Amino acid sequence: SQQGEEDPQALSIQEGENATMNCSYKTSINNLQWYRQNSGRGLVHLILIRSNEREKHSGRLRVTLDTSKKSSSLLITASRAADTASYFCANQGAQKLVFGQGTRLTINP
Amino acid sequence: DAGVIQSPRHEVTEMGQEVTLRCKPISGHDYLFWYRQTMMRGLELLIYFNNNVPIDDSGMPEDRFSAKMPNASFSTLKIQPSEPRDSAVYFCASSPTAGTGYGYTFGSGTRLTVV
Repeated sequence: SQQGEEDPQALSIQEGENATMNCSYKTSINNLQWYRQNSGRGLVHLILIRSNEREKHSGRLRVTLDTSKKSSSLLITASRAADTASYFCANQGAQKLVFGQGTRLTINP
Repeated sequence: DAGVIQSPRHEVTEMGQEVTLRCKPISGHDYLFWYRQTMMRGLELLIYFNNNVPIDDSGMPEDRFSAKMPNASFSTLKIQPSEPRDSAVYFCASSPTAGTGYGYTFGSGTRLTVV
C-alpha cells in the first residue's frame, strides 16, 4: 500500500494548547497536503507544501516537510473547540493524492 | 460556486441491487476523483478522470464497479450488483490540475449502506 501513516491516531488536548500531528509517507512526492474532516462531512483542504519547501504557515497552521525522512508535521497553535476534527495528510506524486489514516483531534473546553 | 455536489447524501439498498452515485464537479476543474472511505481501509482512490477521460481505474475493487464522465459537469459511480462490503462513504473531488500544487475540493459524500 502507498498509504502513509499518521501519528498519533488520536489526540486530546485542552483549548488554547498547541496540537502537533505527524505524518510519514513512502514514495517520492511533488507536494504534501493536509486536510480536515469534521464528523459526517467531506474533507477540506488546509495547506499544501511543495517538495522543495521546508516550512509553511497559514494563520494558526504551521507545516514542516522533511523529504529526507519522508515525514511532515502539522502544528495548530492556540487550539479552539472548532478545531475538533480528523486531520489527514496526503502525499501527491505525479497525479494521485494518497491519504494517510488520519489523526482524530479533540479539543476540550 | 456551490462546490462539488454529490447526490444522494444517503443511500440504503438491498444486496444485489444497482446503486448509482452522482457528482457535479466545480466548473473549470479538469480533474475528477472518486474516493471511498471506510474505517478499516481509510480513504482509497477508486478512479480519476482528466478532461472526462478515465486515467487510472486501478483502485476500482472489481468489475461490479464502473464510473463514467459523459461531460465536464457530471460523473457517475455505479455498483451492480451491490454487496454489504460496499457499505462506505463515497466522495467525489475535483481539482484544476493534478500533481502540480492545487488542493482538491471534496463533496459532502454519499453514505452507502447495503443490507
